Amino acid sequence: ETGVTQTPRHLVMGMTNKKSLKCEQHLGHNAMYWYKQSAKKPLELMFVYNFKEQTENNSVPSRFSPECPNSSHLFLHLHTLQPEDSALYLCASSQAASVGGSTDTQYFGPGTRLTVL
Amino acid sequence: GDSVTQMEGPVTLSEEAFLTINCTYTATGYPSLFWYVQYPGEGLQLLLKATKADDKGSNKGFEATYRKETTSFHLEKGSVQVSDSAVYFCALSDRGTSGSRLTFGEGTQLTVNP
Repeated sequence: ETGVTQTPRHLVMGMTNKKSLKCEQHLGHNAMYWYKQSAKKPLELMFVYNFKEQTENNSVPSRFSPECPNSSHLFLHLHTLQPEDSALYLCASSQAASVGGSTDTQYFGPGTRLTVL
Repeated sequence: GDSVTQMEGPVTLSEEAFLTINCTYTATGYPSLFWYVQYPGEGLQLLLKATKADDKGSNKGFEATYRKETTSFHLEKGSVQVSDSAVYFCALSDRGTSGSRLTFGEGTQLTVNP
């Protein structure tokens, strides 16, 4: 599956490090999302971008900083993370829903497995 | 707000057994409903979807029918295979104006033994 790619697939970092996760979609979509998947918890929506503009921040701590330079790329910049931030971070994309129109399917990348020591 | 409740797992079946994973939802509008599957070490893959009441989504032998009267979207497969072992997520999507917003259930782990 090459529709949505994420790099790196695995990342180990210390609490004082700064790293970035990258997501790229090749589907011509204009909405992109970051999700966090922790063990034994439902998927948590973190951020939504629509036409490069952030339209939702789900009360995410400021140590997570998203960036969407264009409709195909989405980054998640990480700094001074905590061990409880260890999780699988999933990126997804979809067509943005038009007013009164139907909601489109989200397509997911394979995720980045993050471990914070 | 919107919510999705899935049957608790894990579910363990023998190959060729019948599978049902229950899913019920609460939503204020008219959501689309989805089943996603996550194989070990991978991201979520769309399995099937339904966008309005009485629609049936189907794929790879899996089926689910959008039941508005019971607010349910149960996943079924007549004969499971070992390769179906994965975590299954039920989800709904509201009709926002800035991208689709998915609400997920907690996931149901399925293990199929030969």
